[in-house]
Amino acid sequence: AQSVTQPDIHITVSEGASLELRCNYSYGATPYLFWYVQSPGQGLQLLLKYFSGDTLVQGIKGFEAEFKRSQSSFNLRKPSVHWSDAAEYFCAVGQRGTDKLIFGTGTRLQVFP
Amino acid sequence: DTAVSQTPKYLVTQMGNDKSIKCEQNLGHDTMYWYKQDSKKFLKIMFSYNNKELIINETVPNRFSPKSPDKAHLNLHINSLELGDSAVYFCASSNRGNEKLFFGSGTQLSVL
Repeated sequence: AQSVTQPDIHITVSEGASLELRCNYSYGATPYLFWYVQSPGQGLQLLLKYFSGDTLVQGIKGFEAEFKRSQSSFNLRKPSVHWSDAAEYFCAVGQRGTDKLIFGTGTRLQVFP
Repeated sequence: DTAVSQTPKYLVTQMGNDKSIKCEQNLGHDTMYWYKQDSKKFLKIMFSYNNKELIINETVPNRFSPKSPDKAHLNLHINSLELGDSAVYFCASSNRGNEKLFFGSGTQLSVL
């Protein structure tokens, strides 16, 4: 069965520091992979997605993620975090040929000044 | 202009009541969804509709009944509410094929 694991429930970083949020997936074929961000009291917003091609994908707000098939990972990175990046981040895997997204349990990011 | 709007934003009700949540999207998408987010932030799909046709129905109690009068609307009716139904319910829309999901801002349902 498909699944998504985000090992870090909560991460705290200082503003200006680099960030990496981990995501591992379980899927039998090449998946569709997504990162979404949820600000408090808001719905989710797509940061970036991977369908095929270049394994390093760029997203909005200066985020990027790298698909590593050998590690079944799709980690999210940002070189310099801003206070406004504090939010909940969700990794998701999509099943090709369906409309179904399976979400990880999320990583809460706190940013200290 | 709000792309995916759902109402109400907050819903507080007693056990056993029946309630509805409405969702509308003005993006011209052909697929709409209901997701449930529990208190631990776990987000799980409940239903998806494509052009008013039910596509995904995850093991959701039949007290939950989605209705799609047209492809721009997907409402969720819940009968005989239970304490465990307390959660945030998100409506979302997309074009077919796992493209970008657009989420509404959520309905926080509290069952007392």
